[in-house]
Amino acid sequence: EAGVVQSPRYKIIEKKQPVAFWCNPISGHNTLYWYLQNLGQGPELLIRYENEEAVDDSQLPKDRFSAERLKGVDSTLKIQPAELGDSAVYLCASSLEKGQGAYEQYFGPGTRLTVT
Amino acid sequence: AQSVTQLDSHVSVSEGTPVLLRCNYSSSYSPSLFWYVQHPNKGLQLLLKYTSAATLVKGINGFEAEFKKSETSFHLTKPSAHMSDAAEYFCVVSSLTDKLIFGTGTRLQVFP
Repeated sequence: EAGVVQSPRYKIIEKKQPVAFWCNPISGHNTLYWYLQNLGQGPELLIRYENEEAVDDSQLPKDRFSAERLKGVDSTLKIQPAELGDSAVYLCASSLEKGQGAYEQYFGPGTRLTVT
Repeated sequence: AQSVTQLDSHVSVSEGTPVLLRCNYSSSYSPSLFWYVQHPNKGLQLLLKYTSAATLVKGINGFEAEFKKSETSFHLTKPSAHMSDAAEYFCVVSSLTDKLIFGTGTRLQVFP
């Protein structure tokens, strides 16, 4: 079974430029999460989707960050414009909502963003 | 609010010696607790989880953790470290809405 897929793995951009990250969750997982992990810290939740619906986006900086999950499968996280402080690893995770093993989150390898 | 505190930012052990990574939690209700491991350039992997069943939880790769309510602790242990255990370890508590709240991590180094 394929795990959570993220691309790109690495991205270097100049400040004020836009950037987008893509995530494909494990097949059948209807809950998808985006996390931000700063250097030396644990991941922090940015947004959680159940199918197409964003059920928790309270930590998403909505002035510059946006996310979508149009068909309830893969998802895109966008930053526009990027700032120096956005340099971090962006992690995607997915989980089942119901059934055995429900709510256990499976993480992708992350996208390491560097803003110069 | 729920939170976890990982008491050591770095732990160094020799191969073959025991590992102890310490975690204290704070929760207003009976929590679900997890340990995740993160190897360089790889995704976070679940080692084990506690969800109010047995207080001694066995995980993958020989790791285990004991839930101690009286001490609000959930320390991770392994009897004998292996070189491949070198990684970052995160103690995690789950909120009532299943939101994962991560600790700041403990970097485990294993020396030959």
